Amino acid sequence: EAQVTQNPRYLITVTGKKLTVTCSQNMNHEYMSWYRQDPGLGLRQIYYSMNVEVTDKGDVPEGYKVSRKEKRNFPLILESPSPNQTSLYFCASSPRLAGAPGETQYFGPGTRLLVL
Amino acid sequence: KQEVTQIPAALSVPEGENLVLNCSFTDSAIYNLQWFRQDPGKGLTSLLLIQSSQREQTSGRLNASLDKSSGRSTLYIAASQPGDSATYLCAVTGGSYIPTFGRGTSLIVHP
Repeated sequence: EAQVTQNPRYLITVTGKKLTVTCSQNMNHEYMSWYRQDPGLGLRQIYYSMNVEVTDKGDVPEGYKVSRKEKRNFPLILESPSPNQTSLYFCASSPRLAGAPGETQYFGPGTRLLVL
Repeated sequence: KQEVTQIPAALSVPEGENLVLNCSFTDSAIYNLQWFRQDPGKGLTSLLLIQSSQREQTSGRLNASLDKSSGRSTLYIAASQPGDSATYLCAVTGGSYIPTFGRGTSLIVHP
């Protein structure tokens, strides 16, 4: 089954404790991205990657890191989480850049993060 | 900077009604506009994708139109059903290739 998976689905942590949220897709997509969703603010893109070893900042990259060593995986790293990073996080993938003709993004189920 | 507004924010209707959800955007220089559905506890599911050169797209009971010059899109849902209850999001993508999402319309269709 074609899908985007994220782990963990739920995470409670404390300020400053490094964490990684994994994202994996089995559709051989080149493009992957991370979003956060907050009440009243909607979905905002954190980082995106156009292919292996190619990443770029989205609208809200501060406090986050990403890496793209393999095509299928795109982990999101919070080196020193803070309470303002409490949010619902989504990973997404698409065959090519969002905006390219005919492209659509496929979203993972989300990771709900609480930073105390 | 692109801004996307969705009206209404919430909608509750009886089953069987035809619905119109609205999305407006401030910068008409877009590549495409996409409508998503989000169910509680789940990710987003793409419903319809309209390229900037297109005026509308249809899928089953759903029809989305795009008027780029006026910065508007509408999602029309025919003969609504309780299973249509969800949050509907619209997103536009322009030259930055970073999609800008609206805050969504929360729809409840009651039997």
